Amino acid sequence: GAVVSQHPSRVICKSGTSVKIECRSLDFQATTMFWYRQFPKQSLMLMATSNEGSKATYEQGVEKDKFLINHASLTLSTLTVTSAHPEDSSFYICSAPGGYNEQFFGPGTRLTVL
Amino acid sequence: AQSVTQLGSHVSVSEGALVLLRCNYSSSVPPYLFWYVQYPNQGLQLLLKYTSAATLVKGINGFEAEFKKSETSFHLTKPSAHMSDAAEYFCAVSDRRGSGTYKYIFGTGTRLKVLA
Repeated sequence: GAVVSQHPSRVICKSGTSVKIECRSLDFQATTMFWYRQFPKQSLMLMATSNEGSKATYEQGVEKDKFLINHASLTLSTLTVTSAHPEDSSFYICSAPGGYNEQFFGPGTRLTVL
Repeated sequence: AQSVTQLGSHVSVSEGALVLLRCNYSSSVPPYLFWYVQYPNQGLQLLLKYTSAATLVKGINGFEAEFKKSETSFHLTKPSAHMSDAAEYFCAVSDRRGSGTYKYIFGTGTRLKVLA
């Protein structure tokens, strides 16, 4: 199947700093990518849909100025958590769609804000 | 609006016993349905998917699921549990809009524990 990578896999930062997470489709092009957030022992919650060449679509309740998304190319989407705070600590997962509405998921990024 | 309900946040089975993880969905249109497995600190791996080709779907690692429209269910089963099956399992539903515009709705997940 198609491969989606994320970088970094784990990041620790101080409160108030910004963190960028990259999501890449390695062997296919993705005009759309999805960003999810997963709290410990909980399900995945869709944060936003990243669209190549246009603005991202955010789910209700997600602060677009807090979570900046840039879909710079057909293989790269980035999520920047701006002015991170401890409550932003979470597991962030991206995905890219394949055929039959299937999504290919990245391995996730563990963000810890001190 | 679509939704997914996974009954039982935790399921324990003995090694070699039948695994049954329940998933019920709600959708106003014929859905695509998926089961994913997640190991600790990892992303999601597709186990199997229903796309209307056949109601009984076979996936990887011996898992299968049956789509029952009358019951709005898509339960995941495996005849004989293995220790390596211990993980978190998520059921997801997606509508059948055009490619690239759909979304997944995930269930709350079921943590499977396999007892030796």
